[in-house]
Amino acid sequence: GAVVSQHPSRVICKSGTSVKIECRSLDFQATTMFWYRQFPKQSLMLMATSNEGSKATYEQGVEKDKFLINHASLTLSTLTVTSAHPEDSSFYICSAWTAMNTEAFFGQGTRLTVV
Amino acid sequence: SQKIEQNSEALNIQEGKTATLTCNYTNYSPAYLQWYRQDPGRGPVFLLLIRENEKEKRKERLKVTFDTTLKQSLFHITASQPADSATYLCALEGAGNQFYFGTGTSLTVIP
Repeated sequence: GAVVSQHPSRVICKSGTSVKIECRSLDFQATTMFWYRQFPKQSLMLMATSNEGSKATYEQGVEKDKFLINHASLTLSTLTVTSAHPEDSSFYICSAWTAMNTEAFFGQGTRLTVV
Repeated sequence: SQKIEQNSEALNIQEGKTATLTCNYTNYSPAYLQWYRQDPGRGPVFLLLIRENEKEKRKERLKVTFDTTLKQSLFHITASQPADSATYLCALEGAGNQFYFGTGTSLTVIP
């Protein structure tokens, strides 16, 4: 299957700082990328949908000014957690989708810990 | 409101038995439904897709059924092995090609 690379896999940051997470589709061009958040023993919660070259669409309850999404190319999307707080500590996962396939391909996830 | 619920949070079965996981949804009219596997600390991996006009789909030891009247999908793993232990998620497509996931079922296959 297609490969989606997410970086970093783990990050620890101080409260109040910003963290950027990258998601790259390595062998296909992703029309759309999705960002999910997952708390321990819970399912994936969709945060936002981003299409290349346009503004991201955020799910209800997700602060767009706190979770900045940039989808600059068909192979790269970034999620920046701004002014991170301990409650932002979570597992963040991206996925990439293209109309050529029906399933989405997921990155390995990023474990964010805010101290 | 829209909901995707999976039968139980955790399921333990004996090796060699068939595991059956349930996915129920409300207020969706999906063209297809997908099942994913997630191992701890990893992203989900696609397993199977079943379309609304398909009753059943098989792939090796996996079988999925889809009943759009009941709004339910069943996911079966036959001849289960300890390596099948993982969390299994069903997913439905939203209006904008995004995927919404069920609550997940953690399966443990006991040797």
